[in-house]
Amino acid sequence: IVLTQSPATLSLSPGERAALSCRASQDIYNYLAWYQQKRGQAPRLLIYDATNRAPGIPPRFSANGHGTDFTLIISSLEPEDFATYYCQHRVNWPLTFGGGTKVEI
Amino acid sequence: QVQLVQSGAEVKKPGASVKVSCKASGYTFSSYTIHWVRQAPGQSLEWMGLINIGNADPKYSQNFQGRVTITADTSASTVYMELTSLRSEDTAMYYCAREFSSGRSHFNYWGQGTLVTVSS
Repeated sequence: IVLTQSPATLSLSPGERAALSCRASQDIYNYLAWYQQKRGQAPRLLIYDATNRAPGIPPRFSANGHGTDFTLIISSLEPEDFATYYCQHRVNWPLTFGGGTKVEI
Repeated sequence: QVQLVQSGAEVKKPGASVKVSCKASGYTFSSYTIHWVRQAPGQSLEWMGLINIGNADPKYSQNFQGRVTITADTSASTVYMELTSLRSEDTAMYYCAREFSSGRSHFNYWGQGTLVTVSS
């Protein structure tokens, strides 16, 4: 299953709303996660099963989608949110990740 | 608290093998599957495989064509990932990661990463 993320880069300012897209090459139901990765760090789980925030994730992060089209929304960007975001499915093997969206200032 | 602590950076020559460890603590080791994910410089994430600790059953990505082996030592709460016949394209950060919950292969705990450099 190929996950295509868009855009590759999103240039925004603190306080703005970000919308990141992940499209699957086939139906993955709601078996999608979103991760945030900062330079030099391991990924951090934000969202699991398409819409559920992981423990400790602030409410400015939300997500929706089902089937093949998914969106991660950051309602108001904080300085620490500028990072790269990846989606990942778990519907079958092999697990795959999207190519990433870099959110930059 | 849950921790996954990986072994240190490695430098290997093409054709060699590397074995990376991932020591788990802070939870019941046998209750969660551990996966390995790698990330080449500037690239996205690539899933390599997993091991179900409870039954020691591994599963691998076909992308590695039999070059990867994942094992677990329950007495040491440690998982190992061995990659053989190394080539320059295997230069990457290698991560172990724990499933969010049993059977749900999203990852909320990650090791710190082990940099493997393959160079002649």
